Amino acid sequence: GQNIDQPTEMTATEGAIVQINCTYQTSGFNGLFWYQQHAGEAPTFLSYNVLDGLEEKGRFSSFLSRSKGYSYLLLKELQMKDSASYLCAVMDSNYQLIWGAGTKLIIKP
Amino acid sequence: DTAVSQTPKYLVTQMGNDKSIKCEQNLGHDTMYWYKQDSKKFLKIMFSYNNKELIINETVPNRFSPKSPDKAHLNLHINSLELGDSAVYFCASSQDGSSGANVLTFGAGSRLTVL
Repeated sequence: GQNIDQPTEMTATEGAIVQINCTYQTSGFNGLFWYQQHAGEAPTFLSYNVLDGLEEKGRFSSFLSRSKGYSYLLLKELQMKDSASYLCAVMDSNYQLIWGAGTKLIIKP
Repeated sequence: DTAVSQTPKYLVTQMGNDKSIKCEQNLGHDTMYWYKQDSKKFLKIMFSYNNKELIINETVPNRFSPKSPDKAHLNLHINSLELGDSAVYFCASSQDGSSGANVLTFGAGSRLTVL
């Protein structure tokens, strides 16, 4: 079966750095996405990786290793507004998105 | 302007009733989707639809049916509502459902509570 694993919850301190990991097992691979979802709101797109390596976008970076079935989202200079759930999703060979359950990130002052 | 709008935002109804949730996108996207997010926060695809084909998740009961009057609209109709249908339903759209860099834009969600 197809599977996306990510930690259920993480806690970090304002101003610090946090890394949210995602491992996947899917039928084929056409890219990996990270979305942010604040409580009670819609998911919003953060990043897309299809080749190995690091993609940097401001305070957020996303890394992919296809051989290891692994990605991480790196958040720097954490702000209170970064408290949210972070969803990892993989597009399989049929261009279907397989979603993880999300990682709830709690930022403390 | 709201890119993907869905109504109603909240819906409380009795078991056995029939209800609809409407969705409209003004992004000119070709593909629209309905997702269900349950209390455990898993996003589960229910339907994806473009002007060529409707793809139905085989686990979705046939009490759920999508209706698309045109490319910009994909409504969700639910017959004979059950307690387990209580969830947040998200509409989404994307430029092209058959490409890799297929970024989804989500609506704000419709929270359905079945009593």
